[in-house]
Amino acid sequence: DAKTTQPPSMDCAEGRAANLPCNHSTISGNEYVYWYRQIHSQGPQYIIHGLKNNETNEMASLIITEDRKSSTLILPHATLRDTAVYYCIVRGIGGTSYGKLTFGQGTILTVHP
Amino acid sequence: DVKVTQSSRYLVKRTGEKVFLECVQDMDHENMFWYRQDPGLGLRLIYFSYDVKMKEKGDIPEGYSVSREKKERFSLILESASTNQTSMYLCASSYQGNQETQYFGPGTRLLVL
Repeated sequence: DAKTTQPPSMDCAEGRAANLPCNHSTISGNEYVYWYRQIHSQGPQYIIHGLKNNETNEMASLIITEDRKSSTLILPHATLRDTAVYYCIVRGIGGTSYGKLTFGQGTILTVHP
Repeated sequence: DVKVTQSSRYLVKRTGEKVFLECVQDMDHENMFWYRQDPGLGLRLIYFSYDVKMKEKGDIPEGYSVSREKKERFSLILESASTNQTSMYLCASSYQGNQETQYFGPGTRLLVL
């Protein structure tokens, strides 16, 4: 699976959009971009994933560049409860690994009042 | 909504004790996973199962065993707990579909004294 690079920390004001970047320059054609978050002492929570098109769900939007070498997770109206560690993961589907997830260091997002 | 539950949020055991951690999912997922998460080491896969009574070793299976007698239940067993098994244990499940999103339980924080 491709390696990802994320900033170690970011701040955001409550009510504003939080834009979390992720670089994955070695991504291959059959690899998806996944985003999870983890609030302190809880299990990781799935947010969104995509292959090459932009995606949106009730939690967030995922913007993937045309060359697929980077992506941005957007939380449109951040709240204090969005304070968490956000993980960007690139992984292929299927094969013999049965989808083992590998979390990097992630981005600590702190939402301020 | 997908629901993955784990038998305990916090557990304290003594060295040498046999420890059972249970995970139950209600989405009829074929795949189930056990990970441990430690500061600075990220998420590491212990065992996974892609069907009832089937199991595969992950990256760090030593000192652990698993059991999957029913599709919805995946148990992690520490045969003789040791202090280096103090960790956060996370269970996850997923379909065997084309996009195998993993959904996590809340985690069990195990302390071995």
